[in-house]
Amino acid sequence: EDKVVQSPLSLVVHEGDTVTLNCSYEVTNFRSLLWYKQEKKAPTFLFMLTSSGIEKKSGRLSSILDKKELFSILNITATQTGDSAVYLCAGKSNTGNQFYFGTGTSLTVIP
Amino acid sequence: KAGVTQTPRYLIKTRGQQVTLSCSPISGHRSVSWYQQTPGQGLQFLFEYFSETQRNKGNFPGRFSGRQFSNSRSEMNVSTLELGDSALYLCAIPRGGGTARNTEAFFGQGTRLTVV
Repeated sequence: EDKVVQSPLSLVVHEGDTVTLNCSYEVTNFRSLLWYKQEKKAPTFLFMLTSSGIEKKSGRLSSILDKKELFSILNITATQTGDSAVYLCAGKSNTGNQFYFGTGTSLTVIP
Repeated sequence: KAGVTQTPRYLIKTRGQQVTLSCSPISGHRSVSWYQQTPGQGLQFLFEYFSETQRNKGNFPGRFSGRQFSNSRSEMNVSTLELGDSALYLCAIPRGGGTARNTEAFFGQGTRLTVV
């Protein structure tokens, strides 16, 4: 059964801290691993990773994929209150457009 | 900006009723997927429609059904509502319009369904 597991389930940090969110996956015919940020309603896209060891970076956020260990991490440096959200990880297979989502990590950044 | 419009935004129904939710992707997007999001289960795939045909289906009971029209608009129907159907229902389109498999999903704002 395809599944994606995220850890921790929730996290509370202070502004300026660095956080690492974890995602492990088991997806048949794996194609890509995606990260989303969800603040209120619609998840918004952050990264898509298809190759191992290649870091993707956007400002203070970065992510990397390990296809051997079936694992990905999302790093956020110098966290801000605006980073407070649920971060979702999703695996995608080669068949169809279906995504397998984890239950998310709820991040709270306090001033 | 690529868009997906979902209506209604909020809905309250009673057990046993049925409900129809709507999703309108921007023109040219032939693939529409539906997801259910609950606190305990996270985002779970319901089904995908591509050019009016159901292409993929998740593990949901037959009470959950959908369809897609020739203008790409999609509807999702839930019959005989149960309390556990209370959730955020999200509609998503692939950035590539269904022709590019290696692409991210773009989500609508969702419909918050509450069953009482």
